[in-house]
Amino acid sequence: GENVEQHPSTLSVQEGDSAVIKCTYSDSASNYFPWYKQELGKGPQLIIDIRSNVGEKKDQRIAVTLNKTAKHFSLHITETQPEDSAVYFCAASVSAGNQFYFGTGTSLTVIP
Amino acid sequence: GAVVSQHPSRVICKSGTSVKIECRSLDFQATTMFWYRQFPKQSLMLMATSNEGSKATYEQGVEKDKFLINHASLTLSTLTVTSAHPEDSSFYICSAPMWRGNNEQFFGPGTRLTVL
Repeated sequence: GENVEQHPSTLSVQEGDSAVIKCTYSDSASNYFPWYKQELGKGPQLIIDIRSNVGEKKDQRIAVTLNKTAKHFSLHITETQPEDSAVYFCAASVSAGNQFYFGTGTSLTVIP
Repeated sequence: GAVVSQHPSRVICKSGTSVKIECRSLDFQATTMFWYRQFPKQSLMLMATSNEGSKATYEQGVEKDKFLINHASLTLSTLTVTSAHPEDSSFYICSAPMWRGNNEQFFGPGTRLTVL
């Protein structure tokens, strides 16, 4: 089955700096890679996703890059703000409609 | 946008009792829903796939008699934790894919179960 690894487990950055979270996956059949933000006591919220037919996707301060050959993908948050503080999970799936295999999560703290 | 709801948001029960958690897709139909379990400061682990009109598919190591899943309609799946014990205390989250537009999967807000 799919195995998704995520690093780092914790990340602290100064407000305004960039944050990068990296994930690797094992199953070459995976084609859909979403990133979720989870606040304490709440369900995950999709922040950005990427499909295997593109290498990069950007949405304002958030970007995701995908290297299918190396089986890794990364989340980039620029100009971080205190409200970006949360736990971020990457996931991999064969499609958006199938079960997701989640990474272990990264607790991001943005220091004002 | 599409919304998935869960009820209750939190529940406290005594050991040995059964607890039912509902997952609803509010403005779209979902023939498939997924149930995840999340322990504190850990990742989401897939428990089972709920299929409308057929039996649920359970992940390895998940007891199907312990965690009963019923996909009652195209908008409702229920997870019943039977004879709950303290080790079943966890955050249970459901999700449902919407097959239109960008084909996105939506997660519910989660249910916090505490078994005393």
